[in-house]
Amino acid sequence: DAKTTQPPSMDCAEGRAANLPCNHSTISGNEYVYWYRQIHSQGPQYIIHGLKNNETNEMASLIITEDRKSSTLILPHATLRDTAVYYCIVTYTNAGKSTFGDGTTLTVKP
Amino acid sequence: DVKVTQSSRYLVKRTGEKVFLECVQDMDHENMFWYRQDPGLGLRLIYFSYDVKMKEKGDIPEGYSVSREKKERFSLILESASTNQTSMYLCASSSNSLGTFTGELFFGEGSRLTVL
Repeated sequence: DAKTTQPPSMDCAEGRAANLPCNHSTISGNEYVYWYRQIHSQGPQYIIHGLKNNETNEMASLIITEDRKSSTLILPHATLRDTAVYYCIVTYTNAGKSTFGDGTTLTVKP
Repeated sequence: DVKVTQSSRYLVKRTGEKVFLECVQDMDHENMFWYRQDPGLGLRLIYFSYDVKMKEKGDIPEGYSVSREKKERFSLILESASTNQTSMYLCASSSNSLGTFTGELFFGEGSRLTVL
């Protein structure tokens, strides 16, 4: 699986969009980009995933660059409950075998 | 609602004790995983299983074993607990979508183990 790089921490004002970047410059053609988040004292929760095209669901949007070397997770209207650690992983076989690094700690402030 | 249940949220054990961590999923998933999570080290895969009675080592299997006698249950065993196994343990499951790529992981709430 390709390695990912994320900033260790970010702040966002409540109600504003949170844009979380992820660099995966060594991604290969059949690898997916997955995003999970972990709220304190809970297990990680799936958010969204994509291969090439941008994706949107009820939680977030995922923007993948044309060269697929980076992506951005967008929480359109961040709330205090979105404060969590966000993990970006890249995998082609089984997401369970992927490495979850330290992720980005997002703090949403009132 | 899908659910992965871990038997204990908090455990305190003594060095040398045998420890069982149980995980049950109600989604009929083929794949199950055990991780440990430590500050600064992220989630590290200990063992995983693609089917009943099948197991494969992850990145850090030393000091651990697993058992999968039934599809819904995956147990992590610490044969002789040591203080360096004090950690948060997370279980997860996933399905085999269309026989190929496996989809999202569903995690349990975690079991925080302290070994004294």
